[in-house]
Amino acid sequence: RKEVEQDPGPFNVPEGATVAFNCTYSNSASQSFFWYRQDCRKEPKLLMSVYSSGNEDGRFTAQLNRASQYISLLIRDSKLSDSATYLCVVNRNTGFQKLVFGTGTRLLVSP
Amino acid sequence: DAGVTQSPTHLIKTRGQQVTLRCSPISGHKSVSWYQQVLGQGPQFIFQYYEKEERGRGNFPDRFSARQFPNYSSELNVNALLLGDSALYLCASSLGAGASQETQYFGPGTRLLVL
Repeated sequence: RKEVEQDPGPFNVPEGATVAFNCTYSNSASQSFFWYRQDCRKEPKLLMSVYSSGNEDGRFTAQLNRASQYISLLIRDSKLSDSATYLCVVNRNTGFQKLVFGTGTRLLVSP
Repeated sequence: DAGVTQSPTHLIKTRGQQVTLRCSPISGHKSVSWYQQVLGQGPQFIFQYYEKEERGRGNFPDRFSARQFPNYSSELNVNALLLGDSALYLCASSLGAGASQETQYFGPGTRLLVL
């Protein structure tokens, strides 16, 4: 079983739609959580950190449930420019930083 | 300000050869981490270096080695290349090595193809 699991998609949605991605992690010692965005053949870029209280950044909302070891990302009012792969990431920080990535969920937003 | 830079951008090697990849972190950042991303997968952690010392190592064979220089730049070396080493190699820099919420910033990567 992979340490971080995501639905690979692709998710095909029209512009303006709301889409939700889910992610589960297996290591209860995980300390910090992130969503990264990766465009085709580019490097991953931090989209947002995820906090236990939940956090929002414009059209993006992230939630963390430590008891269920579950992380989510909600994108409202999808734009064409949101088309990318969204990577769920946890950091166990066992004396050093080690980001553990899911395989990513591909999102395609169409006109 | 310049972000993380990596060189070369692309590389083609044959099985059994050796390769050296280079990374320069963001100015002021002292930590460099290396990741391997094969097609269709998320990046996998290889090493973290901080203040020229190895702080962490992922589940990669001894053919993979790295070092960090006094100016905090880093090299990743891979010996005896295998076809399965074909991947995007990503370098990430951060200010320090310990804070779990600390952001890692990725470079554009080096795309390695082993024939």
